[in-house]
Amino acid sequence: GAVVSQHPSWVICKSGTSVKIECRSLDFQATTMFWYRQFPKQSLMLMATSNEGSKATYEQGVEKDKFLINHASLTLSTLTVTSAHPEDSSFYICSAAQTSNYGYTFGSGTRLTVV
Amino acid sequence: AQSVTQPDIHITVSEGASLELRCNYSYGATPYLFWYVQSPGQGLQLLLKYFSGDTLVQGIKGFEAEFKRSQSSFNLRKPSVHWSDAAEYFCAVVLNTGTASKLTFGTGTRLQVTL
Repeated sequence: GAVVSQHPSWVICKSGTSVKIECRSLDFQATTMFWYRQFPKQSLMLMATSNEGSKATYEQGVEKDKFLINHASLTLSTLTVTSAHPEDSSFYICSAAQTSNYGYTFGSGTRLTVV
Repeated sequence: AQSVTQPDIHITVSEGASLELRCNYSYGATPYLFWYVQSPGQGLQLLLKYFSGDTLVQGIKGFEAEFKRSQSSFNLRKPSVHWSDAAEYFCAVVLNTGTASKLTFGTGTRLQVTL
C-alpha cells in the first residue's frame, strides 16, 4: 500500500533557529500534499496545501513566512519552521493525496520542541 | 457553516463489548466520509471510507460504518473491542469537488478499553 515517510520523527531546537521537516511519498506520486498541526489531545488543523511546482495555499491565520512549504517534486514536500519559538512546539503531520481514489496517506508525524 | 462533529470526546468500553463512535456532518451535499485511527505519537491510519453505494462500509480491523443521509451521520462500529483498539479516532470529510480536496477533521474521540 501507499507509504508516506516523514522525517524527523522528533526534533528539539533552540528558540530562533529554523527546522525543516520532510515528507516523502515512497511508492506513489503525490500531486498534492497537506501539512497539519496537532496540539495535545486535539484534532488536526490544516496549515497548508502544497501542490507540486506551485506555491502552497495557506489556511487563514497561518503565517506563510514562518511556515515555509516547498513541493519541488512529486514525491517530496518540506515544511520549514523559521525562527522557531516555544509556541511553535507541536506535532506536525503531513499527508499525501492520491487524486484518483481520494487516498490520503499520512506520515507518522514530527514532534517539534522549541526550547 | 460546513463542519464535522464528534459528540463524544472520550469513551470507555470493556474489552469484548461493542463500540459505536458517532460522527455527524453539516454540508449541503453528501461529502466523502472517512474514519481514521491515531495511536499516541503516530500518524493516522485509514479505517474505512464512504463515497457512494452501499451505505454500510466494511473497514480494517473489524470496523464498519453506516452512512445515514437522513441523520447526516457516519457512525463507526465494532462488535467486539480489543484492548489494542485503544486510540484516538477521527471522522473526516471531503467535499466531492473532483480534485484532491482537503480533509476536514472532527475533534476526535479518545477510546479507552478496560480489561
